[in-house]
Amino acid sequence: GENVEQHPSTLSVQEGDSAVIKCTYSDSASNYFPWYKQELGKRPQLIIDIRSNVGEKKDQRIAVTLNKTAKHFSLHITETQPEDSAVYFCAPTTGGGNKLTFGTGTQLKVEL
Amino acid sequence: DTAVSQTPKYLVTQMGNDKSIKCEQNLGHDTMYWYKQDSKKFLKIMFSYNNKELIINETVPNRFSPKSPDKAHLNLHINSLELGDSAVYFCASSQGNTGELFFGEGSRLTVL
Repeated sequence: GENVEQHPSTLSVQEGDSAVIKCTYSDSASNYFPWYKQELGKRPQLIIDIRSNVGEKKDQRIAVTLNKTAKHFSLHITETQPEDSAVYFCAPTTGGGNKLTFGTGTQLKVEL
Repeated sequence: DTAVSQTPKYLVTQMGNDKSIKCEQNLGHDTMYWYKQDSKKFLKIMFSYNNKELIINETVPNRFSPKSPDKAHLNLHINSLELGDSAVYFCASSQGNTGELFFGEGSRLTVL
């Protein structure tokens, strides 16, 4: 199957707080787990990704953690800033690993 | 030196018309895609081409016909436009079918 769900669908945090978005997938063959950020009116852009032989990856204020057994991976943003406000999509590989399937999206709003 | 460029950026047309969107990438990638993003922000893959060959064709009405004259170009032609075709259409490219996706700016299609 290719179900890819994200929770929450909307998230509002105060500037400086942390934000966590979870992505749940159903394809046990998934082996690549990226996160994309889409600012209002712009194109989606890759912000971080992880492969299935790694449990966690960090890049400055963002990190991704993977739990293959439970089939979910999460995006963590620390010290959130207003420019982090965007829609975030996970996009794990599906269909035997031959494509990426985008999740349902999470609207993150960072309030001053 | 835009990496993935698509034209036109905006398209407003009447139901029943035929329209085309063009896409070009200068990244030397071997795989190109068309994605549809609806008003709820869901991003759905429509087609994927690898070296001019169609490799993914999701459940898309056959009014939509992609054409790849060479591996740097992927055009989308839509016949007999319907109201439900209104969306933002994104072209993207990647190296391999699970590499980082580079998106174009999107083409906003409005069918009246």
